Amino acid sequence: GALVYQYPRRTICKSGTSMRMECQAVGFQATSVAWYRQSPQKTFELIALSTVNSAIKYEQNFTQEKFPISHPNLSFSSMTVLNAYLEDRGLYLCGARDVSQNTLYFGAGTRLSVL
Amino acid sequence: AQKVIQVWSTTSRQEGEKLTLDCSYKTSQVLYHLFWYKHLLSGEMVLLIRQMPSTIAIERSGRYSVVFQKSRKSISLVISTLQPDDSGKYFCALWEATGGNNKLTFGQGTVLSVIP
Repeated sequence: GALVYQYPRRTICKSGTSMRMECQAVGFQATSVAWYRQSPQKTFELIALSTVNSAIKYEQNFTQEKFPISHPNLSFSSMTVLNAYLEDRGLYLCGARDVSQNTLYFGAGTRLSVL
Repeated sequence: AQKVIQVWSTTSRQEGEKLTLDCSYKTSQVLYHLFWYKHLLSGEMVLLIRQMPSTIAIERSGRYSVVFQKSRKSISLVISTLQPDDSGKYFCALWEATGGNNKLTFGQGTVLSVIP
């Protein structure tokens, strides 16, 4: 079956520092990976959509300078939150697209706390 | 304007009851798909149902079904014989193919509490 592993599950960082989260697709080829953030009391917002061999498309209010993403192959993607501040707190989800099923499967999320 | 609307933010039911969670969506795209996900306390996002234009695939068989009214742009998730384990947050999501990109937009979610 299709599985998506995301790690770390939880992380705490000091204000102004950076943290990296990773996403591993198992059992299928993840041609696209979408990164979402759920801020407190909000729904999931799309940060960016990354497609292998294509430019990464960032949504409004999110930039590559703040959330650089790497998607080097069909099974792995990572995203870094640079200079994290309180407003960056939340649950970050990666969703990997299984083209054969035309479905997005999600990792378990990385919960980011900022001190 | 919100593209995916889930009217209820929270709801509770007794164990054994049937529940319908409503979701409406807005899209001008011809090609789109709809999903229902369950978000667990652990953070895991579990896919329950995929609704494609002319077919339906239930990822978690058994007590889940949908009522899809394409002309009304509405898709409701029906959970029969509720169990305490059904408690969690349910998200409706719209997947649109736009200019070569596929974008998944979530509704606000509905928190379900099942009372034993």
